Amino acid sequence: DAGITQSPRHKVTETGTPVTLRCHQTENHRYMYWYRQDPGHGLRLIHYSYGVKDTDKGEVSDGYSVSRSKTEDFLLTLESATSSQTSVYFCAISESGENSPLHFGNGTRLTVT
Amino acid sequence: AQKVTQAQTEISVVEKEDVTLDCVYETRDTTYYLFWYKQPPSGELVFLIRRNSFDEQNEISGRYSWNFQKSTSSFNFTITASQVVDSAVYFCALSEREDSSYKLIFGSGTRLLVRP
Repeated sequence: DAGITQSPRHKVTETGTPVTLRCHQTENHRYMYWYRQDPGHGLRLIHYSYGVKDTDKGEVSDGYSVSRSKTEDFLLTLESATSSQTSVYFCAISESGENSPLHFGNGTRLTVT
Repeated sequence: AQKVTQAQTEISVVEKEDVTLDCVYETRDTTYYLFWYKQPPSGELVFLIRRNSFDEQNEISGRYSWNFQKSTSSFNFTITASQVVDSAVYFCALSEREDSSYKLIFGSGTRLLVRP
């Protein structure tokens, strides 16, 4: 298994509270991604990073921010959680981007009440 | 925008039947990569195959085979003699280039149920 750890694995939080999800890799891969998975929508890209301090938005980035201060860590922050952000969040890493497969973490199940 | 369509939301078959999962994509890139992933009931996402746009040869791996047809922008996945353990959600994905970076765009997935 690729060395990817997501924390926490499960979280329940209240609407309006800030939440940070962490993705940690031990593979020294350049690319890191945050996806959310919802029924009927498959996997949708939130944000991704192509290097330290280099990040870009995906298709569903509103309400989310990210930071990557070290190669191994990619943080996803919900500044003020809403019920629509209840989802399963997956982190993924890729060695070089285009032709490298993504390897996924085990996911974080977030419930916003 | 690039797009991946998996029109089959759910497929149910009886064990030992063959089943084909469809994937149709749209891209303006001349060079691109296509992928298939499996998500079993346990929830993890497992990489199955990668195919680049210059290689239209079909690929076979055991009971799995993939048919890439550039002319119809399709990358279909066939499971021969399906087994209960094949029950999962299967995702097709397309690489998209954004300036000097890359990201993967996924289809909405096909849920396969193989009944004993």
